[in-house]
Amino acid sequence: DQQVKQNSPSLSVQEGRISILNCDYTNSMFDYFLWYKKYPAEGPTFLISISSIKDKNEDGRFTVFLNKSAKHLSLHIVPSQPGDSAVYFCAASLFSSGSARQLTFGSGTQLTVLP
Amino acid sequence: KAGVTQTPRYLIKTRGQQVTLSCSPISGHRSVSWYQQTPGQGLQFLFEYFSETQRNKGNFPGRFSGRQFSNSRSEMNVSTLELGDSALYLCASSTALDYEQYFGPGTRLTVT
Repeated sequence: DQQVKQNSPSLSVQEGRISILNCDYTNSMFDYFLWYKKYPAEGPTFLISISSIKDKNEDGRFTVFLNKSAKHLSLHIVPSQPGDSAVYFCAASLFSSGSARQLTFGSGTQLTVLP
Repeated sequence: KAGVTQTPRYLIKTRGQQVTLSCSPISGHRSVSWYQQTPGQGLQFLFEYFSETQRNKGNFPGRFSGRQFSNSRSEMNVSTLELGDSALYLCASSTALDYEQYFGPGTRLTVT
């Protein structure tokens, strides 16, 4: 039962254009969403996040949009750069028992930015 | 501030053996979580420790266990290894208030 889904395993975009990565979730109790970027042989690094009370958060070239009614979020990268080529993971957070926060991850999308 | 460190980085074990992986969190972080990453499966949550107590556990068999020490360092143990345990094991740390978790580089375990 995948609660967080990234249905596109890969995406190729031309340098300078917009990259849009999508993520869907099923659990309406998730209250915080995050995007991580992962290069080969490295651990994931935090990129950007959004609270469930917002519908947009922007940080430089990166913007995350949240549509709660559709249980959908997306990451926009504008303009895309070759260094952005990596695997992008969507993650959702909620409080679980014992006041612990648990992250549930999607399966990732490999973004390739072509020069 | 030093990041999350994991040792060893690479490990090759034989089916039936056991293995222990180590994680040192960022200084001041008391929460340590472990994840398993396999191709096409994303990151699967194993367990989370806070102040030496396991607060949360994912859907993994009892062969997977962990512990946390008083200095917040954590170890993960897998007993009776199976071929399907081959994966990248990631450790992440955070403060009690953070939503974000900060990941180490991972330990690549290969079971033959």
